[in-house]
Amino acid sequence: GQSLEQPSEVTAVEGAIVQINCTYQTSGFYGLSWYQQHDGGAPTFLSYNGLDGLEETGRFSSFLSRSDSYGYLLLQELQMKDSASYFCAAPREGSARQLTFGSGTQLTVLP
Amino acid sequence: DGGITQSPKYLFRKEGQNVTLSCEQNLNHDAMYWYRQDPGQGLRLIYYSQIVNDFQKGDIAEGYSVSREKKESFPLTVTSAQKNPTAFYLCASCVVGNTEAFFGQGTRLTVV
Repeated sequence: GQSLEQPSEVTAVEGAIVQINCTYQTSGFYGLSWYQQHDGGAPTFLSYNGLDGLEETGRFSSFLSRSDSYGYLLLQELQMKDSASYFCAAPREGSARQLTFGSGTQLTVLP
Repeated sequence: DGGITQSPKYLFRKEGQNVTLSCEQNLNHDAMYWYRQDPGQGLRLIYYSQIVNDFQKGDIAEGYSVSREKKESFPLTVTSAQKNPTAFYLCASCVVGNTEAFFGQGTRLTVV
């Protein structure tokens, strides 16, 4: 089986830094991805970690520790437009490598 | 412009009716997915296809059916056997084994 656990909600103020965690249990591991989804919209890809360490893309960074089965998304210099749901995702073991998602973290950025 | 298109954006269905949601992509991706999203919830996998004329059930396939006759198209039929079909349906495509999936804008289905 496979499961990806995230906190359901996080709140922060504009300009702050927030970290959204994801712990996973998978029978095989093929990397961890992060997606952003605004209300009523389509999820959009943010980042991918295949190896341990930090990947940085502008204000967003993502970290992975395979030994701890843990990753996080770090959002810096928060803006109101960052209010959205954030999902971690990972492919399942097997030839199909279907992409499965965590339950999502609703981030609210306050002025 | 390359992308993935779902239609319609909103759909209303009477109980007991089948309805088909369209998903078309011109990204030349082999893999296509259907997910269901309920309010405040994550994405649950309904069906997956990684090649034409082949598809696999996901976690919640009961009451749904799909076809993959063309690489570009992966329509989803919500049948009358699906007891709670009201939800937001998302179609996605990607390169097989890749984790960067591209999503359509979704279809919001409401049973009336």
